[in-house]
Amino acid sequence: NAGVTQTPKFQVLKTGQSMTLQCAQDMNHEYMSWYRQDPGMGLRLIHYSVGAGITDQGEVPNGYNVSRSTTEDFPLRLLSAAPSQTSVYFCASSLGGGGNTIYFGEGSWLTVV
Amino acid sequence: QKEVEQDPGPLSVPEGAIVSLNCTYSNSAFQYFMWYRQYSRKGPELLMYTYSSGNKEDGRFTAQVDKSSKYISLFIRDSQPSDSATYLCAMSAAGNAGNMLTFGGGTRLMVKP
Repeated sequence: NAGVTQTPKFQVLKTGQSMTLQCAQDMNHEYMSWYRQDPGMGLRLIHYSVGAGITDQGEVPNGYNVSRSTTEDFPLRLLSAAPSQTSVYFCASSLGGGGNTIYFGEGSWLTVV
Repeated sequence: QKEVEQDPGPLSVPEGAIVSLNCTYSNSAFQYFMWYRQYSRKGPELLMYTYSSGNKEDGRFTAQVDKSSKYISLFIRDSQPSDSATYLCAMSAAGNAGNMLTFGGGTRLMVKP
């Protein structure tokens, strides 16, 4: 049982480039989300999904796009990378809402130069 | 002012010491309280989960929630070098969209042999 799998683990981008961070879970979880972690800031929610075809914005959505075509996958797209998007990105999933346990992936370290 | 405040540390203790980690929060709607442990270059892993006020014990770990004071604590007894990590408190409100977590900034703990 792999849990939440993220790729790539490390990536360096040039300003203005686009890329997609991949996230997949094999626990049949309905809820999936993306967080970013910056020093001293904890984790902040970027986008979330409560099921296939349903997405919504979190606390810091600007510069990111998401889609959810299947239950298993929830990719995060950076449309035009900026240095301010240098961060560690975590994908997470849970069975549902209402305080269900949230499981995190191992993280993707992104540097924008 | 952040919604969840957590002393960043680092907190350095000798092996065998009792460790106390704390968070304060301002949102009275928070009902679910969690502690995550994060090792360097890894994703957060759930350590303790508490609903509403009260105490919960699991082995060497005890979580306490005092909703009247908006204060939560994690106690680690007989601390071990393997407990060296960053500890993140996280909270969520009942019925919030996407099961969103609000995190503290994390406390870095170092347990010296």
